[in-house]
Amino acid sequence: GAGVSQSPSNKVTEKGKDVELRCDPISGHTALYWYRQSLGQGLEFLIYFQGNSAPDKSGLPSDRFSAERTGGSVSTLTIQRTQQEDSAVYLCASRQGAAGNTIYFGEGSWLTVV
Amino acid sequence: DQQVKQNSPSLSVQEGRISILNCDYTNSMFDYFLWYKKYPAEGPTFLISISSIKDKNEDGRFTVFLNKSAKHLSLHIVPSQPGDSAVYFCAASWGAQKLVFGQGTRLTINP
Repeated sequence: GAGVSQSPSNKVTEKGKDVELRCDPISGHTALYWYRQSLGQGLEFLIYFQGNSAPDKSGLPSDRFSAERTGGSVSTLTIQRTQQEDSAVYLCASRQGAAGNTIYFGEGSWLTVV
Repeated sequence: DQQVKQNSPSLSVQEGRISILNCDYTNSMFDYFLWYKKYPAEGPTFLISISSIKDKNEDGRFTVFLNKSAKHLSLHIVPSQPGDSAVYFCAASWGAQKLVFGQGTRLTINP
């Protein structure tokens, strides 16, 4: 597609439930990132996939968070046993090729845990 | 450890004047810097970037300055327009690494 596509755009879930957020990067982009932004906060790095290399998971806040990228394209971010502090907008971004190229963000998935 | 810092959470500028957004970083390994603009309920959009081999990059009304010795970069917008009102994030990276973002500065352009 023309841009990074994320789904769902909005999700309200009950505390304790699992959620899955999906990201379709720009076609041909080898690097994929997940960030989140909580209310009033900056952009917090979560995880980074680059080609076939092992992902950089250093930003995942707890073991309730995991992400995978199948076939080097679509990525799914999974949050298990959601907590209220997980409420945020989860942003996916992708980049073509090597470092130094711009990364492009999707519109985000707005997660509210009630 | 906040490697990229935007110390001004907000900035208010009169329409037509120059807006200057500042960003400081601590990691001397950073070699690529970007500015993103974010409207409410939208994802960040790329604005302008600069490589560490340069000290200035200009694109229309937007100019980014990089001072490596001071580990400081700034974004100048001139003339400022009402549509520039948004949150601006600076970001930095090195090699094939993740982008590290600052906390953002909310810019308000007053008519």
